[in-house]
Amino acid sequence: QVQLQESGPGLVKPSETLSLTCTVSGGSISGYYWSWIRQPPGKGLEWIGYIYYSGTTNYNPSLKSRLTISVDTSKNQFSLNLSSVTAADTAVYYCARVEGSSDWSTLDYWGQGTLVTVSS
Amino acid sequence: DIQMTQSPSSLSASVGDRVTITCRASQGISNYLAWYQQKPGKVPKLLISAASTLQSGVPSRFSGSGSGTDFTLTISSLQPEDVATYYCQKYNSALKTFGQGTKVEIK
Repeated sequence: QVQLQESGPGLVKPSETLSLTCTVSGGSISGYYWSWIRQPPGKGLEWIGYIYYSGTTNYNPSLKSRLTISVDTSKNQFSLNLSSVTAADTAVYYCARVEGSSDWSTLDYWGQGTLVTVSS
Repeated sequence: DIQMTQSPSSLSASVGDRVTITCRASQGISNYLAWYQQKPGKVPKLLISAASTLQSGVPSRFSGSGSGTDFTLTISSLQPEDVATYYCQKYNSALKTFGQGTKVEIK
């Protein structure tokens, strides 16, 4: 059973960089696309972007200028860096796996989510 | 960018009622449409892929239909455990947009 676990600081100061890591267990990161999704408190889901195990990325245009998603296959991890954060970036951040070998697919396994608050 | 619009944004129905949620894409997306269920305080769960394919373990009272721009999620007989927010998501092309969600409550 594939499991995903987000980790990283729960509090980030405005203008700084939000950094999260998703650790994949119970399966290999290779062969799949891996996504980040976020959900501001009391609001809906926003797709952030994804990375293929080989390093190919695809970002939400609304975040692209501030966003970097990377992968470390040796650690079975992938990461998110979002720079110049503001209070609007406060959200629960989820990592998830894209089902199958195509990026045109659904999100079948999700992490539990981690709340990141942007505040001084 | 293709926009995904769900309606209604919330609904309240009685146990046993038939519930229908609509998701409309601003351009055709074939059947590249998923439905997710998010119970309060929980992680979203994939219910339906390819517009109408029920995931393993999902109760048969859930069904999906549609193609192109108009899609529906139907709960044939609403149960208390179905209280949740339901999201559609398109997954064709590069931008995987979610709908804004439909909150389902028991009357």
